Amino acid sequence: QKEVEQDPGPLSVPEGAIVSLNCTYSNSAFQYFMWYRQYSRKGPELLMYTYSSGNKEDGRFTAQVDKSSKYISLFIRDSQPSDSATYLCAMSPPTQYGNKLVFGAGTILRVKS
Amino acid sequence: GAGVSQSPSNKVTEKGKDVELRCDPISGHTALYWYRQSLGQGLEFLIYFQGNSAPDKSGLPSDRFSAERTGGSVSTLTIQRTQQEDSAVYLCASSTLGTQFFGPGTRLTVL
Repeated sequence: QKEVEQDPGPLSVPEGAIVSLNCTYSNSAFQYFMWYRQYSRKGPELLMYTYSSGNKEDGRFTAQVDKSSKYISLFIRDSQPSDSATYLCAMSPPTQYGNKLVFGAGTILRVKS
Repeated sequence: GAGVSQSPSNKVTEKGKDVELRCDPISGHTALYWYRQSLGQGLEFLIYFQGNSAPDKSGLPSDRFSAERTGGSVSTLTIQRTQQEDSAVYLCASSTLGTQFFGPGTRLTVL
């Protein structure tokens, strides 16, 4: 079983829809949680960064962390065709040696105009 | 500019050859990471640098893989005697305050 599970999709939605992306994890030591967006043949781009449990909002994006359930979510409101990309969740424990990230497999999102 | 840059963007090599991949981190970032992204395996950690030291090499898949960092800046990932299973996108990230910023990656194809 992988430490981080993420449905690879693809997830196809109409423009303007609310998108919900999710990851579950097994390592209770994870403290830092991130969502990255990756366009085809590009490097991952950081969207959201949260520490421990709670919600964080940035424009059309909201990240939620529920450590009791080992479950994180990213919500995208008013989705746009330009949001079509692969969304990667990533997390790390606090370690003595940096914050090496453990990634989910990535969910492919397609927003249709 | 100021993002993370990597070169070459694409590299095609023959099985058994050595390759070197380069990463230029964001200026002032002391932490540098290498990851590998391949179909079926997703994005996997390879090695972490703090300054010129590599306190965590736990993700390097074999002794054919090595990396160094000089001057607290540029890093080179070397793969010796390449194998077809080494084909992947190799990503570099630099970090400050825990947030990692990725470069565009080097796409390596081993024929």
